[in-house]
Order: sequence, then structure tokens, then C-alpha cells
Amino acid sequence: AQTVTQSQPEMSVQEAETVTLSCTYDTSENNYYLFWYKQPPSRQMILVIRQEAYKQQNATENRFSVNFQKAAKSFSLKISDSQLGDTAMYFCASRETSGSRLTFGEGTQLTVNP
Amino acid sequence: EPEVTQTPSHQVTQMGQEVILRCVPISNHLYFYWYRQILGQKVEFLVSFYNNEISEKSEIFDDQFSVERPDGSNFTLKIRSTKLEDSAMYFCASQTRTGLETQYFGPGTRLLVL
Repeated sequence: AQTVTQSQPEMSVQEAETVTLSCTYDTSENNYYLFWYKQPPSRQMILVIRQEAYKQQNATENRFSVNFQKAAKSFSLKISDSQLGDTAMYFCASRETSGSRLTFGEGTQLTVNP
Repeated sequence: EPEVTQTPSHQVTQMGQEVILRCVPISNHLYFYWYRQILGQKVEFLVSFYNNEISEKSEIFDDQFSVERPDGSNFTLKIRSTKLEDSAMYFCASQTRTGLETQYFGPGTRLLVL
């Protein structure tokens, strides 16, 4: 069974600064997928970035990038040049290749301050 | 851009009543999911559906729950006899195919059981 842990319930950052959100996971499989989703106050889940475990290169999407450490089972999200619109709950999630379900972490509430 | 839609956005019901939550997945998607999020808790997987049958379900998805794709466009979640603890946000998601493909989430239905 998969587990995903986000140990930071809340974080805050000043506008234009950089922030890193932590995520660790556990899985018995060698290949799997990892995701970060954003949930703004509207409560809709929006994909931010995704990573395949067999790829060593860290995924990047504009201001968002990940630090994927497979041996440590760590998948952190870095947000550069933070914007007010980045204020949201961020969920880390995993999916094993043998299954279809996403397993989510507890979430980190990020607040970007002006 | 195509998106997953859900109706209603909010539903209030009495304990013991049946509710049907509706979703319209993205039109060329083949895999469909229901998740729920009890207030302040993790997003939890309920069920996945492919080729007109359940492909995976969680321990939460007991006999009170059922899913259906009645007409090739809608995807419904039925709760036969609601309990207080069924109060949650219910998210539908769809995916074009398996693998790294993203699960796209709808805006959710907030269910309140009184």
C-alpha cells in the first residue's frame, strides 16, 4: 500500500520569494508516478506538476519544479517568484503503475503575502 | 479547454435518504474516478471505473455506494442511505488512458447530511 506524508500543515512566503513544500512517500513498487495538485479556495483540484519515478531528471513547469530523490522517497515542490494566486492548499499524491488510485498526502496550506 | 463538470455543486439531505451525484467527464476520456474529502482531512479514493465496470475500489466504497455510466456521457455516484459521516466534498475525475496521464478533477459536490 502507498502512503504519502506532508509534514508541513501551513507555510507562508512573501510575494516574489521562493518556497519549498516537502513530501515523502512509501511504496513497494519500483515504478510509480508522483503529482502535486493545487486546491485554491474554490476547492477544485488542479494539477501543478507530475513526475515518473523512472526518470531521474526533475520535472519543471514554468515557476514550479520538483526535487525528486528516489532513494530517500522524497518529492518536494519548489515555487519560484511566488505570486498571490499561488495561495492554496497543495497536495502531494502518488499512483502505482499497477493501480489507478491516487493516494494523497495531508496537504500544505500555502499563503503568499504581499 | 475541456473540463470535468459536476452537479449539483451543493446538496443537503436527510440521513437515510438516497443521493445521486452527477459528473460529466471529458469526452474522450476512458477512466473515471470518485474521490471524497471530509472537511479538514485527506482526499480519499473511492472507486475507479473503466469499460463499464469497476476496476478498483477502496474499503470506503461499501454496499451503500454504487457507480454507473448510464448514457455514455454522465458518470454517477449513488449513496443509497446516507449517514452523517458521508458529509464531504465529492470529486469526480477522468483520465484519457492509464499511465502518467493526468487525472482531471471536477469542481466537486459538497454533500451535507443532516
